[in-house]
Amino acid sequence: DTAVSQTPKYLVTQMGNDKSIKCEQNLGHDTMYWYKQDSKKFLKIMFSYNNKELIINETVPNRFSPKSPDKAHLNLHINSLELGDSAVYFCASSQGVGSTLTGELFFGEGSRLTVL
Amino acid sequence: KNEVEQSPQNLTAQEGEFITINCSYSVGISALHWLQQHPGGGIVSLFMLSSGKKKHGRLIATINIQEKHSSLHITASHPRDSAVYICAVRLSSASKLTFGTGTRLQVTL
Repeated sequence: DTAVSQTPKYLVTQMGNDKSIKCEQNLGHDTMYWYKQDSKKFLKIMFSYNNKELIINETVPNRFSPKSPDKAHLNLHINSLELGDSAVYFCASSQGVGSTLTGELFFGEGSRLTVL
Repeated sequence: KNEVEQSPQNLTAQEGEFITINCSYSVGISALHWLQQHPGGGIVSLFMLSSGKKKHGRLIATINIQEKHSSLHITASHPRDSAVYICAVRLSSASKLTFGTGTRLQVTL
């Protein structure tokens, strides 16, 4: 039973399109994250939600909009896709946040987005 | 300059060798994570530590808070250990993780 699952795993689309990536965790964690991994394999935080509330919003274009309908789900919607958005996007979850973090991060398998 | 530096960037070892990967950081942290990313792309959390030492199977992670340094050791390395190992720190003042650039390990027979 997958702990953190993302869909789709692969996404190929044209510039200018709008797309979404979905993430769900069945670990009962209260914090979820979106990370972007660029072509050099460098990971960077994009967003974090704790109990459906946005707590981290890094310098990310506002074409990226996260949505957390409940604490088990964190979706990422991207408008007007650009070539530079091509990357692997990882969802992750943890219990607690910051100084209250009690455990490790659990990652999804990643969603590889290719913008043509 | 990245707040988290890893060395070496690339490492090739023969099966059975003892491996050390280093991570240095420049700011105060509340915790440090070691992650493993296999060629297939999935990321697995190996350790989260804020002091001392942790061991899991053939993997050992240590941290020295005063020296702002952590090491990941792999004993009796095996080809299945081939992966990218990533160090990430959680700043004392923030909730987010800051990642190192990773160490690519290749273990050959």
